[in-house]
Amino acid sequence: EVQLVESGGGLVQPGGSLRLSCAASGFTFSSHYMHWVRQAPGKGLVSVSHISPNGGTTIYADSVKGRFTISRDNAKNALYLQIDSLAAEDTAVYFCARDFSGSLDHWGQGTLVTVSS
Amino acid sequence: EVVMTQSPLSLPVTLGQPASISCRSSQSLVHSGGNTYLNWFQQRPGQSPRRLIYEVSKRDSGVPDRFSGSGSGTDFTLKISRVEAEDVAAYYCMQGTHWPYTFGQGTKLEIK
Repeated sequence: EVQLVESGGGLVQPGGSLRLSCAASGFTFSSHYMHWVRQAPGKGLVSVSHISPNGGTTIYADSVKGRFTISRDNAKNALYLQIDSLAAEDTAVYFCARDFSGSLDHWGQGTLVTVSS
Repeated sequence: EVVMTQSPLSLPVTLGQPASISCRSSQSLVHSGGNTYLNWFQQRPGQSPRRLIYEVSKRDSGVPDRFSGSGSGTDFTLKISRVEAEDVAAYYCMQGTHWPYTFGQGTKLEIK
């Protein structure tokens, strides 16, 4: 069974940093693109970043470019999102999701990041 | 990036009645390989998104057959033949043909 479990969210002050993690199991992690998608409170889904199976290609939304860094460790079946220079508008639930043939077929439960002083 | 536009954004429906959600893309979603990567997701309150439909009309395992997807090119539709109470949720279309993948704004279905 495919499982994705996010962790690392929490309350952080503006300008602070967090590292989100996504633990994957039940599939060959190293064969799949992986994505981070976020959802601000009461709002819709927004793609934040994705990474190729070997980690060699990374793509970011314009709103997070230069502040967010996606990475993966295929030996540990883990996906990461380093988020720096946090601002109030980064407050959201962050989901990791598996890419399969032009779709996001499995999602984690999400981890909440709250940016507030 | 490809802009996905859903309508309506709010959809009040009587139990047992049909519902329909439209999704339009700013450019064709036909991939160079011939497939069209248009997906529909359901997100119930407090839950993660769940994929219902992929490649326009293919239903995921366990999805009731009252859900159906159709369309082509830039114009797509999700239909629910008879709405049930458990269908109260937000519904999102998402294109996976062009990088980056992009979502519609979401449609909130409620019971009238």
